[in-house]
Amino acid sequence: KAGVTQTPRYLIKTRGQQVTLSCSPISGHRSVSWYQQTPGQGLQFLFEYFSETQRNKGNFPGRFSGRQFSNSRSEMNVSTLELGDSALYLCASSLGQPAGGYTFGSGTRLTVV
Amino acid sequence: GENVEQHPSTLSVQEGDSAVIKCTYSDSASNYFPWYKQELGKRPQLIIDIRSNVGEKKDQRIAVTLNKTAKHFSLHITETQPEDSAVYFCAASNPGNQFYFGTGTSLTVIP
Repeated sequence: KAGVTQTPRYLIKTRGQQVTLSCSPISGHRSVSWYQQTPGQGLQFLFEYFSETQRNKGNFPGRFSGRQFSNSRSEMNVSTLELGDSALYLCASSLGQPAGGYTFGSGTRLTVV
Repeated sequence: GENVEQHPSTLSVQEGDSAVIKCTYSDSASNYFPWYKQELGKRPQLIIDIRSNVGEKKDQRIAVTLNKTAKHFSLHITETQPEDSAVYFCAASNPGNQFYFGTGTSLTVIP
């Protein structure tokens, strides 16, 4: 079956702009989580969506937002981009049940100049 | 909230030796502990996991142990090979499906 698909793979944006990233989960997975990965900072949790509702949220500013559609696809939006937002953004899908592992997408590499 | 600590941050071993990575967690409600391997430029991939009702799990050269009382779990890789070189992340998940990741261990296997 198809894996987790993230688009686009690469993005270059200018400070102050906004960006939208997309994640299509594995068929049947209802949970989508987003992570920011920067060198030396590991995987920083942004938020999780389950059945179109934000279920968990990390410690990121309000410039970072997301949503999930009825087909479980999710989008993440970052407004007023800053240089420090340059990172690999990973989404992960799961069944959303307790004790179920994630499958990660390949990520979107965002560069802010 | 949960706090997952992972050690060491870097690890170098000779090919054929064993590698051990250790993680501790703080929330006794955590009940699922996966390990992910991330090769350079690739996505993290689940390599093994363990649930809180199990003390040890093995899959070929990889094993994970869990000590619920001490709140720590470890990844053991035996007979290491150069292709085991990667960054390894541990994680702890609670019943609410929130995952907390360790900061990663960069493993280098020297041929």
